[in-house]
Parts: sequence; structure tokens; C-alpha cells
Amino acid sequence: SQKIEQNSEALNIQEGKTATLTCNYTNYSPAYLQWYRQDPGRGPVFLLLIRENEKEKRKERLKVTFDTTLKQSLFHITASQPADSATYLCALDRGRANAGKSTFGDGTTLTVKP
Amino acid sequence: DTGVSQDPRHKITKRGQNVTFRCDPISEHNRLYWYRQTLGQGPEFLTYFQNEAQLEKSRLLSDRFSAERPKGSFSTLEIQRTEQGDSAMYLCASSLTSLEGENTEAFFGQGTRLTVV
Repeated sequence: SQKIEQNSEALNIQEGKTATLTCNYTNYSPAYLQWYRQDPGRGPVFLLLIRENEKEKRKERLKVTFDTTLKQSLFHITASQPADSATYLCALDRGRANAGKSTFGDGTTLTVKP
Repeated sequence: DTGVSQDPRHKITKRGQNVTFRCDPISEHNRLYWYRQTLGQGPEFLTYFQNEAQLEKSRLLSDRFSAERPKGSFSTLEIQRTEQGDSAMYLCASSLTSLEGENTEAFFGQGTRLTVV
């Protein structure tokens, strides 16, 4: 079965710096890889989706890369702000008939200090 | 439409009791998913529906769990004879997914937190 590892449970950075979160997976290559943000006591909120044939995707201060050879995705938040503090989840989706049935990592908790 | 709605937000029940949760997805979404999440872990897939058809159930979903989506709109998740190990956050999500399986983003509800005492 698919196994997902997200780098260290917690990541602390200074405001204004770039946060880089890692998602490594084993086994099959997913058709889609998604990143979600989750705040305490709330459901995950979708941020970005990247497909297996895409290497990079950007949205405002967010950037996601996808390397199917390394079986790794990197998630970057540039010019980080204290409001970016949350848990970030990586999720893999096999697509086609299994589209939407995602396998999640356990998340990385990001704290941005002012 | 205000997004995916789950009810109740919190439920405390005694071991052995039955509980039922409701999820109202975004109205035009054809797929609906149930996940379970415990503290410090990512959501674990339980089951999902394409319209009213339940397409897959995880091995995590024991016989005590049942889910329905009778008219392809709202869904219910019932847990019978609850056990302390059932304590978790139960999350519902919906998406608009094409017949070819082209995925779009999944929208999650706020979850129902179940505590079995």
C-alpha cells in the first residue's frame, strides 16, 4: 500500500522566510498530488493540485513541485506570515476510477514567528 | 451554497450506543467521501459515493459502520455499538469528478468530533 512521509512533525521559521515542506511517497506514482491546509479543530482546506505530468505549479505565494523520479513533492510558502501557521497535509490520488479517494500524509505543523 | 456542512459538530456517546452523522455536500458535486482523523494523523479514507452509488469501502470500515447517500445528495454515516476506539473526527468531503476520473479539488466539511466514553 502507499506510504507517505512528510518532513518533521513541526517546522518553525521566521516571518518573511520561505517555508519548504516535503512529501515523500513509496509504491505507485499518483495521478494527482494535492496539498491541504488544516487549522486546529477544522477540516482540511484545498490549496493546490499538481498532476503527474506537471513539474511545478504556483498560486500566489505558494509553489508546488512534483518529481516522480524521486517520488517527492516540495511545497513552498514564500514571504511567510504568522497567518500561515497551520498543519499542511500532502495527499495522493490515483486518479481515474479512484479519483478523489486520497491517501493523506500525517502533516507538517508550520509555525511562523513574527 | 456555503460549502460542505456536517452535523453535529460534536457528539459524546456512551460505549455501546449507536450514533449517526449527517453530511450535506456542495449541491452540484457528484462525489462524496467520508474520512476519519485521529489526533496527529492525517485523514484516513473510509468510503465514497458517486451520486447515490457507494463505490468503495475501506477495510477500516467494520461491519458496525454503514453509510448511505439515498438520493445522491446528503449522506449519513452510522456507527453501531460504538467502541472507545471509534473516538475520532469524522470528515466529509465532496467534489465534482468527471466520468473519466478527472479530479477536481475536494471540499471538506468541518467534521464531527466523536467521543465515546
